Amino acid sequence: QKEVEQNSGPLSVPEGAIASLNCTYSDRGSQSFFWYRQYSGKSPELIMFIYSNGDKEDGRFTAQLNKASQYVSLLIRDSQPSDSATYLCAVTKAGTALIFGKGTTLSVSS
Amino acid sequence: GAGVSQSPSNKVTEKGKDVELRCDPISGHTALYWYRQSLGQGLEFLIYFQGNSAPDKSGLPSDRFSAERTGGSVSTLTIQRTQQEDSAVYLCASSPPPEVGYTFGSGTRLTVV
Repeated sequence: QKEVEQNSGPLSVPEGAIASLNCTYSDRGSQSFFWYRQYSGKSPELIMFIYSNGDKEDGRFTAQLNKASQYVSLLIRDSQPSDSATYLCAVTKAGTALIFGKGTTLSVSS
Repeated sequence: GAGVSQSPSNKVTEKGKDVELRCDPISGHTALYWYRQSLGQGLEFLIYFQGNSAPDKSGLPSDRFSAERTGGSVSTLTIQRTQQEDSAVYLCASSPPPEVGYTFGSGTRLTVV
């Protein structure tokens, strides 16, 4: 079982729609959860992190965490063509490096 | 500096040669990480330095790979006797304490021919 799993996509949504990106992880001891965005040919950039069960909102982005189900998601409201990128989920626990999923490619059409 | 600096940005080397990749983290960041990303793949963890603690080398794929961090700042990743499968983008990242996510450098694209 892979440590962090994501659907590779592509996930295609029209401009203005909500994009929902999902991630599952295998290590129940994971404590911190991150979403990164990576444009083609560029380095990953941090979008959000979440530590506690529930929702965390930042502008158009909402991260959702369910530790019992070992599930993390990222919602992007009012999707824009500029949101088209690969979204990487990453998890960690104290004293260890982030483990990344392979990413989901999002395409937002205008 | 303002961000994580990596050099060189591109490196083409012949199979069997040794290469050194450099990373200069953000000032004040105590943690430094190396990852690599092959075409169309996710980020593969290589090594992690945290302050003066012994590094976590659990991700290094073979004994041809090594890394050091001098003075708690600059890090060098060395690949000996390079192979074609070593071709990838090597990414360095740093983070402050407490950890609230990494900042990545722009990477070194390594091509072994």
